[in-house]
Amino acid sequence: DAKTTQPPSMDCAEGRAANLPCNHSTISGNEYVYWYRQIHSQGPQYIIHGLKNNETNEMASLIITEDRKSSTLILPHATLRDTAVYYCIATNAGGTSYGKLTFGQGTILTVHP
Amino acid sequence: DTGVSQNPRHKITKRGQNVTFRCDPISEHNRLYWYRQTLGQGPEFLTYFQNEAQLEKSRLLSDRFSAERPKGSFSTLEIQRTEQGDSAMYLCASSLGGVRSYEQYFGPGTRLTVT
Repeated sequence: DAKTTQPPSMDCAEGRAANLPCNHSTISGNEYVYWYRQIHSQGPQYIIHGLKNNETNEMASLIITEDRKSSTLILPHATLRDTAVYYCIATNAGGTSYGKLTFGQGTILTVHP
Repeated sequence: DTGVSQNPRHKITKRGQNVTFRCDPISEHNRLYWYRQTLGQGPEFLTYFQNEAQLEKSRLLSDRFSAERPKGSFSTLEIQRTEQGDSAMYLCASSLGGVRSYEQYFGPGTRLTVT
């Protein structure tokens, strides 16, 4: 799996967009970018993933740069309930992969009123 | 609620005792994973099952740890002769197979405290 680098912490005002960056400069062509979050005292929660195209679902948008060396998770209208640790994971999700997720330290996002 | 459930939620045990945790995955998921998380760190992969077969074990899983998934349904994780270093949150997750294996649904975890 490619190494990912995330800022240790970020703040965001409630109602504003939260943009969480992730650097994965050594990502290979068949590695996807996955985002999870973990709210305090809960298990991690899958958010979104992508390969090279931008992706959007009901939770968030994922923007991947053209060279795929970095990505940004966007929470369009952050709420207090979005306060959590956000993990960016780059991994090969094709072929005979078995789903081992390698979590780093993540980014602690704090949403303020 | 059809999510992943784990029991017990909390376990306090004395060093040297054996403990067993249970995980009930989402019923249609054929893959089941165990992770361990210590304070301030991200979860670390321990092992995973496809149906009843245990297909991968991390080096973190010492001989004192054993996991089973009889009949490909629920899973148990047993720790024998617990040590204080085993104190952690033990997380279970399940998923569909193939490329969906990275879209994992996690349970709330079992917090183990070894005194």
